Amino acid sequence: AQSVTQLGSHVSVSEGALVLLRCNYSSSVPPYLFWYVQYPNQGLQLLLKYTSAATLVKGINGFEAEFKKSETSFHLTKPSAHMRDAAEYFCAVSGWGGYNKLIFGAGTRLAVHP
Amino acid sequence: DAMVIQNPRYQVTQFGKPVTLSCSQTLNHNVMYWYQQKSSQAPKLLFHYYDKDFNNEADTPDNFQSRRPNTSFCFLDIRSPGLGDAAMYLCATSRDRGFQETQYFGPGTRLLVL
Repeated sequence: AQSVTQLGSHVSVSEGALVLLRCNYSSSVPPYLFWYVQYPNQGLQLLLKYTSAATLVKGINGFEAEFKKSETSFHLTKPSAHMRDAAEYFCAVSGWGGYNKLIFGAGTRLAVHP
Repeated sequence: DAMVIQNPRYQVTQFGKPVTLSCSQTLNHNVMYWYQQKSSQAPKLLFHYYDKDFNNEADTPDNFQSRRPNTSFCFLDIRSPGLGDAAMYLCATSRDRGFQETQYFGPGTRLLVL
């Protein structure tokens, strides 16, 4: 069975501070992992994905994530937060049911303060 | 730009009155998905089409149906909406169903049931 745990339903940072959003997964097979961002009243936009090519994955808007097999983690980071980064972030693992069905974490709402 | 389009963005219906939500895509993707997302929750997959092959999730209520008349269009029909069906409905597409395939989301339709 596969599952995703996002620690912290709400994270608040100051503008310019480091952003760290945590994601841990459980999977019986090598995982394919995704981070999506959702702005208010919008659909989900892909930030980045891990497909075993490289453990450090760079995405859009300055975000990156590192796959750590030993820790079963895929945490999302950004060195310097901007006000426009305020959104909901979802970590997801693919492969449940024998196809690219996404199992989502519960999401983390990021607030950025001036 | 290639994209996933959902119309309308906001839909108001009455309790028990059938409603249809629309999704179209210019990506020429084989797979189209429908998700339900309630407030402050992760998206929940209702069903997907792989080409013309319909795949229902086990826990999707019978009240929800879908049609895909051609590659570009997919419809979500709610036969008798209840108050509990008020949610954001997201359409997504992917090129294929391999584990590494990215799902691309539309902007969503927010359904209000009166």
